[in-house]
Amino acid sequence: QLQLQESGSGLVKPSQTLALTCAVSGDSITSGGHSWSWIRQPPGKGLEWIGYMYPSGSTYYTPSLRGRVTISVDKSKNQVSLKLTSVTAADTAVYYCARNAVTGNWFDPWGQGALVTVSS
Amino acid sequence: DIQMTQSPSTLSASVGDRVTITCRASQSITTWLAWYQQKPGKAPKLLIYKASSLESGVPSRFSGSGSGTEFTLTVSSLQPDDFATYYCQQYNGYPLTFGGGTKVEI
Repeated sequence: QLQLQESGSGLVKPSQTLALTCAVSGDSITSGGHSWSWIRQPPGKGLEWIGYMYPSGSTYYTPSLRGRVTISVDKSKNQVSLKLTSVTAADTAVYYCARNAVTGNWFDPWGQGALVTVSS
Repeated sequence: DIQMTQSPSTLSASVGDRVTITCRASQSITTWLAWYQQKPGKAPKLLIYKASSLESGVPSRFSGSGSGTEFTLTVSSLQPDDFATYYCQQYNGYPLTFGGGTKVEI
């Protein structure tokens, strides 16, 4: 059974870099042709897709975050990572990793989520 | 960006009720639409993809329909476990976008 688990810094100071890792277990991140996404949800608000990456290296980032966001894959560790630079309080959210389906960009499964708070 | 608008934002219902949630896209997305259920403190769970395809393991009381710009998620007989927030998501174009959510409460 495929499982995703996010981890990383829960508290980040303004202007610094948010870094999260998504550990994938139960299957290889390179199998099946899937891409891997990060999605975030500010407290009490809706969902925002951040971007995705294929293990081959191709990426897409949502325009509003382009320039600050990097998604990468470590095939040896079976992990997907997210870095978001120059964070502000508006970046406070629960961050989820998820696998994209092969035949369409819906998300299943999701990790349990990691809350990141941006505060001095 | 393709804007997704859900209505209502909140829905009050009782166990056994038939419930319908609407999702409208700002442009045609054919049938490239998914529905998710989210409970407090939990990650979203996929219910429906390609507008009407039921994800494996999801109860058959959930169904999706629609194409183009208007879609619906229907719960035929609401169960206690169904009280949650529901989101639609389009995957016709980039960036991938979600509706604002519909909270189904007692």
